[in-house]
Amino acid sequence: GAGVSQSPRYKVAKRGQDVALRCDPISGHVSLFWYQQALGQGPEFLTYFQNEAQLDKSGLPSDRFFAERPEGSVSTLKIQRTQQEDSAVYLCASSLTTSSTNEKLFFGSGTQLSVL
Amino acid sequence: AQSVSQHNHHVILSEAASLELGCNYSYGGTVNLFWYVQYPGQHLQLLLKYFSGDPLVKGIKGFEAEFIKSKFSFNLRKPSVQWSDTAEYFCAVNFPFSGGYNKLIFGAGTRLAVHP
Repeated sequence: GAGVSQSPRYKVAKRGQDVALRCDPISGHVSLFWYQQALGQGPEFLTYFQNEAQLDKSGLPSDRFFAERPEGSVSTLKIQRTQQEDSAVYLCASSLTTSSTNEKLFFGSGTQLSVL
Repeated sequence: AQSVSQHNHHVILSEAASLELGCNYSYGGTVNLFWYVQYPGQHLQLLLKYFSGDPLVKGIKGFEAEFIKSKFSFNLRKPSVQWSDTAEYFCAVNFPFSGGYNKLIFGAGTRLAVHP
C-alpha cells in the first residue's frame, strides 16, 4: 500500500478483555516499531522488529503486552486482560533499512483503544 | 534516563507571526534530532532532521531548526506561520545507545493553533 495501515481505527474493550491490533507496514520495509501515545503525551516506544525478529521489547509495559511479526511484514500487538491504564493510541511505524539511527519513520494513523 | 522536553504545550498565534518551539534533551554526547508534525486527522510525518553537519537544518513548508550543542537544544522556527500550520509538533531524539536503529524518544508535543 501507499502508507502504513493500522486496524481497527478505534477499539472499545471491557476491562479484562483481550485485544489485537494490526499493522500493515509499507511493502518492503524491514524495520517496524510500535509506540503507545497516552492522551496529552508524546509517543512512547514499545517494541522493535527487524523483519520477523523482535530485537527490542524493552518498552512493553507488562507481560500482558505481546507483539509478533511472523512473516516479516504484518505485525500484531496483543494486549491480554486489558486495564483502564492501557487506554491510549497505539502507533505503528516502519522504515526501509535494517539499521539506521537517522532514518525517516513512516507512521500509521494509529488505533485508539478505550478500555471501559 | 534520557529525556526530551518541550517547553510549550499550547501556542496560539495569528497568521504571519513568527514561531519558535523549544526542545531540549538530556544527554551530552552525539544525538540525532527530529521534528515530527501531526496535522488534524492525519498521521505523524517528518518535518526535518539533524544528524551531522550544518546545525541549521531546513525542512518542509518553510520550517527550520537550529541545533545548539552547548544548550542541548533543537528549537523549531518559522518566520511567518499560516493557518495551515495548525498542528501538533513533536521533538524526538535518537540517543546513541539505542541499539543501532531509529528508536525515538519523543517530547510531550506542542499544540499550535494559528488564527486567520
